[in-house]
Amino acid sequence: GENVEQHPSTLSVQEGDSAVIKCTYSDSASNYFPWYKQELGKGPQLIIDIRSNVGEKKDQRIAVTLNKTAKHFSLHITETQPEDSAVYFCAARIYNTDKLIFGTGTRLQVFP
Amino acid sequence: DTEVTQTPKHLVMGMTNKKSLKCEQHMGHRAMYWYKQKAKKPPELMFVYSYEKLSINESVPSRFSPECPNSSLLNLHLHALQPEDSALYLCASSQDLRAGGIYNEQFFGPGTRLTVL
Repeated sequence: GENVEQHPSTLSVQEGDSAVIKCTYSDSASNYFPWYKQELGKGPQLIIDIRSNVGEKKDQRIAVTLNKTAKHFSLHITETQPEDSAVYFCAARIYNTDKLIFGTGTRLQVFP
Repeated sequence: DTEVTQTPKHLVMGMTNKKSLKCEQHMGHRAMYWYKQKAKKPPELMFVYSYEKLSINESVPSRFSPECPNSSLLNLHLHALQPEDSALYLCASSQDLRAGGIYNEQFFGPGTRLTVL
C-alpha cells in the first residue's frame, strides 16, 4: 500500500541554525504534500504545502522542496527559534481521494 | 472563520458508558474527517464524510459510530470502548474534491483527549 517515510525521528538544533526534515513517498500519482506542526496538547496545524506542479515553495522562514522523480520532499526551517519546537508531520495525498498518508513524525527541539 | 472546534477537550469514560464527541466548522467545507492519534504516532484516519455521506470507513470497529447531521457538524458516538481506545481524537475538514478543492487542504481541530477506564 501507499507509504510515507520520514527522517529523522528527532532533531535538535541550536537557536538560529537551520533544520531539515525529509520524506519519501511511494505513490507516484500523489500530487499534494502538506506539512503539519503539532505542539504538545494541540491538534496538527498546517504550516505549508506543495503541489506536484511546482518544485519549491517558501513562506518566510519555512520552505518546502519537491523532487517528483525521486519521490521525496523536504521541509526547511531557517533561523530556528525555540517556538519552532514541536513534532512535524509530512503527508502525501492519495491521488483523487480525500486520504492523506502521514509520515511517522519528527520531534524538533530548538535550544536557546 | 478558519477554525475547527471540538468538544469536549477531555473525556473519561468507563467501558460500559455511551458518550459522543462533537466537531464543528464554519468554513463551508464539505468533507469532514475523524482521526485517532496515539502518543508519539501520526494521526490515523478513521472516517471521511463527503457531502454528509460516509465515503471512507477505515475498517473501524462498530463501537465507534460516526454521524454527520449537516455540513457543519460531525459527531462520533462511542459505546463499549476498550482501554486501548484511549487516544487523542481529531476532527478535520477540507473542501471536497468535487467542490474544486483538488488539493485537499485539511484543517484540524484541537482534539478530544479520551481515556477509557
